[in-house]
Amino acid sequence: QSALTQPPSASGSRGQSVTISCTGTSSDVGGYNYVSWYQQHPGKAPKLMIYEVSKRPSGVPDRFSGAKSGNTASLTVSGLQAEDEADYFCSSYAGRINPYVFGTGTKVTVL
Amino acid sequence: EVQLVESGGGLVQPGGSLRLSCAASGFPFSNYWMNWGRQAPGKGLEWVANMKQDGSEINYVESVKGRFTISRDNAKNSLYLQMNSLRAEDTAVYYCARGGVLHGFDVWGQGIMVTVSS
Repeated sequence: QSALTQPPSASGSRGQSVTISCTGTSSDVGGYNYVSWYQQHPGKAPKLMIYEVSKRPSGVPDRFSGAKSGNTASLTVSGLQAEDEADYFCSSYAGRINPYVFGTGTKVTVL
Repeated sequence: EVQLVESGGGLVQPGGSLRLSCAASGFPFSNYWMNWGRQAPGKGLEWVANMKQDGSEINYVESVKGRFTISRDNAKNSLYLQMNSLRAEDTAVYYCARGGVLHGFDVWGQGIMVTVSS
């Protein structure tokens, strides 16, 4: 099972928006509404930012939003702040045999 | 405070074994699916294994099937990963993660390093 495809990097100025894509197949992203997004600062554990495509856990700012179209999911960070600079990984449910696949990761830089 | 704390990592020779533990606190451990994930140095995340609340369902990523065994002790609020026949490619930070949202991981431990090298 291959990793989901994400762009290696993305950037935006403070206050602007950045959108990260996560492309899979009909067996994972396209087949289920179970895409999650994780933020990871250097040397730290991942943090759940979005689950079930577009739901935000308690405490996650509404600047973070998720969406999906076909086999591609996306994470948008609006009103970029310095603390948003981190690596972001998507994940999708992929069925009972190999349940979860992660994305390749995107490093977001705040200019 | 909801918390997961991994232990048991270290340096092991190829072909060796290691047992990781994850101590949970601050939530009803027996109510949740639990997972192990890993991240090789400078690489992305990889899901490794999970176990249902009562242990009746277990899943593994293909690359560890037959070598790794996930288990849990709900009375001790603990999750385990027995890793046998270790290979260099198993070198990674291993994370314990709670399956607190549907098909997502809402609480993560701080991670523990496993290095497989001679």
